[in-house]
Amino acid sequence: DTGVSQDPRHKITKRGQNVTFRCDPISEHNRLYWYRQTLGQGPEFLTYFQNEAQLEKSRLLSDRFSAERPKGSFSTLEIQRTEQGDSAMYLCASSLAGDRGRTGELFFGEGSRLTVL
Amino acid sequence: GESVGLHLPTLSVQEGDNSIINCAYSNSASDYFIWYKQESGKGPQFIIDIRSNMDKRQGQRVTVLLNKTVKHLSLQIAATQPGDSAVYFCAHQGGTYKYIFGTGTRLKVLA
Repeated sequence: DTGVSQDPRHKITKRGQNVTFRCDPISEHNRLYWYRQTLGQGPEFLTYFQNEAQLEKSRLLSDRFSAERPKGSFSTLEIQRTEQGDSAMYLCASSLAGDRGRTGELFFGEGSRLTVL
Repeated sequence: GESVGLHLPTLSVQEGDNSIINCAYSNSASDYFIWYKQESGKGPQFIIDIRSNMDKRQGQRVTVLLNKTVKHLSLQIAATQPGDSAVYFCAHQGGTYKYIFGTGTRLKVLA
């Protein structure tokens, strides 16, 4: 399978615990995005990377959230001291920046569903 | 600020009829638009895109129309099938490289 893969698909944790999600983008894609989606809502932008550089981070993202893409390939999203409000689907997507930086289609993974008890 | 909104949260259509899903956006700088389909428990799946230098683009059974004057986007699905039942999102990009998604419209296909 050459699509975007995310792991784990489901995570149940207790409030206050740390969780980490991993995303493996399509191999030649240089841009990687993290989104959060709650029930009945559209995906909400969290952050994105071009290669290993984190170029933009949502102002909605608290200091408990951190994302990395150390070698410009896979990425991790860590949530520290989880809260019940963090329960959501965390979606990863990748794309290939084209001429003059224009981006094309975003390819999404199946998401990692987080439930905080 | 940037926003993408949808006129109808739920759309029910008879199988075989055409479906039209609408979307409004507010950012005049938006220059790239995408429609996504999301089935329950899955990630969004690309349907069709359009850049701001175009008014219309057609795919297989789908057409996207862009009206930049009123900042409106629509997705037309011809001969709607049961497999088209899903939530549809429009998203736009402009000014930065992030994509802004709307709330979504649920399409229900009635047999």
